[in-house]
Amino acid sequence: SQTIHQWPATLVQPVGSPLSLECTVEGTSNPNLYWYRQAAGRGLQLLFYSVGIGQISSEVPQNLSASRPQDRQFILSSKKLLLSDSGFYLCAWSPAGKKYTEAFFGQGTRLTVV
Amino acid sequence: AQSVTQPDIHITVSEGASLELRCNYSYGATPYLFWYVQSPGQGLQLLLKYFSGDTLVQGIKGFEAEFKRSQSSFNLRKPSVHWSDAAEYFCAVGNNDMRFGAGTRLTVKP
Repeated sequence: SQTIHQWPATLVQPVGSPLSLECTVEGTSNPNLYWYRQAAGRGLQLLFYSVGIGQISSEVPQNLSASRPQDRQFILSSKKLLLSDSGFYLCAWSPAGKKYTEAFFGQGTRLTVV
Repeated sequence: AQSVTQPDIHITVSEGASLELRCNYSYGATPYLFWYVQSPGQGLQLLLKYFSGDTLVQGIKGFEAEFKRSQSSFNLRKPSVHWSDAAEYFCAVGNNDMRFGAGTRLTVKP
């Protein structure tokens, strides 16, 4: 069966510090991968999605970036965090090549920038 | 561009009462529609999905949703709410680039 791992679960970082959140998927190949941010009352905002290694689509201009160094690994990064980067970050995957399918979510990372 | 609107930010219902959560979408083609539930501090769990066919979709935990193309709606319903249904509910549209609504927080009164 497929599983998705996301870490860390919580993170407190000072303003201006770097960020690296990691997400890995097991039990499937070439998944579509996603990073979402959830802010209170604003639902889930799609930040990045990837349909393959090195293929990243950015939805929202910001000081965050994403990378996919391996087939089942998706990393969210920042060189310098802002206070506004605080939020709940969710990684998700969906099967490649299947047109009608839902996304499967990790447990999320609560990021607080202080 | 595709988008989802959930008009109700917060809904309170009594345990045992019926529930309807509203969702309206904007999509250029045949929409793929989803309802997810999120417990506090957790990821999202799929309740049900609609791709085509029968417009009334049955999901887990006794939930159902009805797709109405004429109203661009995909409302979630449950005939009798349980205290364990208290959570945040998200409607979503799309496929590779799934878009979510702002969510509706459900409170269940004893």
